[in-house]
Parts: sequence; structure tokens; C-alpha cells
Amino acid sequence: EIVLTQSPGTLSLSPGERATLSCRASQSVTLNYFAWYQQKPGQAPRLLIYGASSRATGVPDRFSGSGSGTDFTLTISRLEPEDFAVYYCQQYGSSPRTFGQGTKLEIK
Amino acid sequence: QVQLQESGPGLVKPSETLSLTCTVSGGSISGYYWNWIRQPPGRGLEWIGYIYYTGNTNYNPSLKSRITISVDTSKNQFSLKLNSVTAADAAVYYCARENWNYAAYGVDVWGQGTTVTVSS
Repeated sequence: EIVLTQSPGTLSLSPGERATLSCRASQSVTLNYFAWYQQKPGQAPRLLIYGASSRATGVPDRFSGSGSGTDFTLTISRLEPEDFAVYYCQQYGSSPRTFGQGTKLEIK
Repeated sequence: QVQLQESGPGLVKPSETLSLTCTVSGGSISGYYWNWIRQPPGRGLEWIGYIYYTGNTNYNPSLKSRITISVDTSKNQFSLKLNSVTAADAAVYYCARENWNYAAYGVDVWGQGTTVTVSS
């Protein structure tokens, strides 16, 4: 099983700032089958990034994903008020599918 | 626009079987992997398993002995059964679509989630 470790656990930033979220895998993710999701309170997760770096339909271009192998990054270039949420990484290249424990992005 | 809707009892007694159904509307169940994912209160996401529309399944080893996922293509539905539940199985249960058509999209459509409480 691939274990995903996200850092930091909580990130406190202000609107307009740049956010960098990390996810490290315990072994290489198959063909970069790697995704990022955003979850707001009381809502289902929403797909942001797939294939490590491709934005899902309707996702603003301030969100970008990068990385390969075992190290992946989600960057939000300029935070908007609606971006404060919990972010999860996931690998879907091998079974069992696994998620990171989440990074909470909160307003400073 | 594909939509998913979970249905089933919100309260299950310890040692009994949790049964949930997900109805797919606005699109076909064919050609996709259909997942169950859960989230205990205040915690992260846990993948339970998936079923391909043909009936092939893949389960989380940590739950494999207790779960069955099935599909009914005629009704555009798939279902989860989790037996011998305990308090640790209390969670929001999501059904979700994993999409490999044309690209490896990951889980691109989610249901709104249904809360399951385990209590006598």
C-alpha cells in the first residue's frame, strides 16, 4: 500500500498570498496517477488536479500541480477567500487507492 | 451532467449490515469505475473499494472480509454492503466515479454523501 504524507497539517495564510502544499508518497506513484481534491465543510471533495499536473474542468488557473515519482506539490498562486478549505492528495495508480491525511488551509 | 445520489439507512445497529445504494443520473454507468469512499467524523478520506460496470471489483484489504460491492446496470445503480459494523464504521459515505475515459482523471464526480451512525 502506498502511504501518502501531506505537509503541513495546517497552513495559515492571508488572501492574496501564495500557498504551497506538499504530498510525499512512500513509493513511486504509477505513471503519475495522482490527484488533488478540495473539500469545504459539509461538502463532498472536488477534483482539482489529475495526472499530477492537469487541471480539472472549471478549476481556476491559480491552481497548479507539479511533481512526479514520490513528491508532489499543489500551488495556489494567489489565494482567494473561497480557497480556504481542506486539501487531500490521492494516488489512483495502484490498489488500494490511498489518500493523504489532508492539509487545512486557514485564513491568517 | 452526471449526478450521484446515495441512499440507505442513516442508523445501523452494531454487528448488523450497512447497506447503501448509489443512483447514477444524467449519464451511463457503463465505461466507468464506481467507488465507495468514507470519511469518519472530523477525519480524512478512506477508500473502500470500486466496481467496474462489468462487475469486476477491487476492495481495500483492510475491509475486504466485510464488504460487497455490486452493480445493477439496468437501474444505473451500484451498492455497498458492509457487514458486522462497529462504531468505527460510523462515517459519511460517498459514492464516486473514477474516470479513465480518454485520460486518467481520478475521481471526477462525487455524490453529496450520506451519514451513517452505528448505535443500538
